[in-house]
Amino acid sequence: QKEVEQNSGPLSVPEGAIASLNCTYSDRGSQSFFWYRQYSGKSPELIMSIYSNGDKEDGRFTAQLNKASQYVSLLIRDSQPSDSATYLCAVNDSGGSNYKLTFGKGTLLTVNP
Amino acid sequence: SAVISQKPSRDICQRGTSLTIQCQVDSQVTMMFWYRQQPGQSLTLIATANQGSEATYESGFVIDKFPISRPNLTFSTLTVSNMSPEDSSIYLCSVAVGTYGYTFGSGTRLTVV
Repeated sequence: QKEVEQNSGPLSVPEGAIASLNCTYSDRGSQSFFWYRQYSGKSPELIMSIYSNGDKEDGRFTAQLNKASQYVSLLIRDSQPSDSATYLCAVNDSGGSNYKLTFGKGTLLTVNP
Repeated sequence: SAVISQKPSRDICQRGTSLTIQCQVDSQVTMMFWYRQQPGQSLTLIATANQGSEATYESGFVIDKFPISRPNLTFSTLTVSNMSPEDSSIYLCSVAVGTYGYTFGSGTRLTVV
């Protein structure tokens, strides 16, 4: 059973701070990793993808991947109240079904003004 | 990325009835995915729909309960059959967009009474 684990939160940070979201996964062969943002009552929205070890930056977002530790994280700099949402980590399955994603349960982030 | 139109956006249905959810994509895609998101939970893959072949169902999901059609490369339907209150959930369709991750439709919020 492939698993993706996230702290459910809620994670509360003040406006302007750095929010750090973490995710571990069990499928050692996974090659593609995604972070989705889901506002309450809305569908998930892709905000970051990462495929290689190291950091990938896009605006205020930085994804970090360590395949040896089976760990992926998302940093949000200068957090804004509009960042308040549930953040879902998703990992592709290895092997013949590598098009399938396994999602974590998500971390609820609250950014306080 | 692809744009997905999903409908209905929400519905309230009587137990024992069926509901068909439609997804239209603005470009041709090989695979479409159907997910369920139960209240407070993450996304669970129901099945993968390929044009011209039977859908592939995940463990715990069967064709009699969730029949899927995929008549062409831009359209798919999911039917939730013989509904019970336990089927109350958000149902989402999704497509893969190259290596850029997966895009989701806006979701169908189903309540079974």
